Parts: sequence; C-alpha cells; structure tokens
Amino acid sequence: KAGVTQTPRYLIKTRGQQVTLSCSPISGHRSVSWYQQTPGQGLQFLFEYFSETQRNKGNFPGRFSGRQFSNSRSEMNVSTLELGDSALYLCASSSRTDSTDTQYFGPGTRLTVL
Amino acid sequence: QKEVEQNSGPLSVPEGAIASLNCTYSDRGSQSFFWYRQYSGKSPELIMFIYSNGDKEDGRFTAQLNKASQYVSLLIRDSQPSDSATYLCAVPVYNFNKFYFGSGTKLNVKP
Repeated sequence: KAGVTQTPRYLIKTRGQQVTLSCSPISGHRSVSWYQQTPGQGLQFLFEYFSETQRNKGNFPGRFSGRQFSNSRSEMNVSTLELGDSALYLCASSSRTDSTDTQYFGPGTRLTVL
Repeated sequence: QKEVEQNSGPLSVPEGAIASLNCTYSDRGSQSFFWYRQYSGKSPELIMFIYSNGDKEDGRFTAQLNKASQYVSLLIRDSQPSDSATYLCAVPVYNFNKFYFGSGTKLNVKP
C-alpha cells in the first residue's frame, strides 16, 4: 500500500504571501491530521479532517485553515505568512485498529518564510 | 504543565546495550500511547503503541505502561547505531483523533 504523500516537499515564500499544502492519505484512510513541527515548539496539532469535516482543531490562529475532499485528500492553507510560520508541516492519516487510531505520517513539507 | 513530557536528552548508550526512554502524561483518562522514531530531516515513523498496563514486546522494542503512575517507557534491546534518532511519545485525547506529542528524546548509540 502506498504511504501518505505530501506536495510540495519544499517551499520558499516571503512574508505576507499565502501558501497551500497538499496531502494524500493512505488508501482507505478517511482521517487526515495536520501538524506543525518547529525546533522550539516540537510537534503541534493543527487540525483533523474526517469525511470532509473538520473534527478537531488545535490552538492556531485563523490564518491556518484546511479542507478535505471527497476522495479524502486534504489541503492546508496559511495566509499572510509570518517568519514564525517557517516549519515542517506534517500530514498524518489514520486508520482505526480496534479502539485505537494509529497515525501514519507523510514526508512533510518544509516551508521557509523569508 | 505539558500534556506529554519527555527528557530531551541526548541519551547516549553503547552499541548492544539497552536504551530506556521515558514519557509522562498528564491526562489520567488517556487510553492509548504511541512511540514514534524520527531521524534527522525525516518524518516520524510509528514504532509501536500500547493501551494496556504492563509490557508489550515487538522485536527489540518493548513498551511499558503504568497508568497509575502515568508513565510509559520504551526499551530498545541490543541497541544499534541505526537506532540513533529522536523518539517521540504521543498520547491521543480520549475518543478524539488529536495527538499530543512530547518534545522527544534524542538517542545516540555509539559503535
């Protein structure tokens, strides 16, 4: 089975611009979660989508948004980029094994804001 | 208090030794616990999960859970230089697909 894929892998943007990141989950997985990873804050949960609906949300400003399509692919958008948005953005798709949701991560998108 | 806490390390062990990584969590209602390994510049990869008190073994890896003390640990037997990575402990919010991650423990296995 193919793993989680994310595009693009690397992005360089300038302050004030906006960016859209894409994630394709493992086939059959309907839940997609997004995380931001920085050296100072570690891995932080952004939001989770399931069946095209945002089901959970982390503590990030409204500049961070996302959506999910009927084929479970998901996009994340960051508007009005700030220097502090430079990070590795990780997407994870989930399956349900018994009562446990196991998250599998994609390779990530490295975003640099100049 | 953070939801999940780990010692950032680095933890250095010689090749062939047992590496012991620890994690504490704050929510007594937590039901399941995950360990991920992350190599530098790569994304986290799942090692194993545990949801029952006691030990769970998978190859050279053993996860240990003590819900009364709110800690979970990962033992790596016969450590190899290829095990050198950052190990992340993750705890999902009960019944939600939202994970809290610890800051990770960096492990160095010396040949």
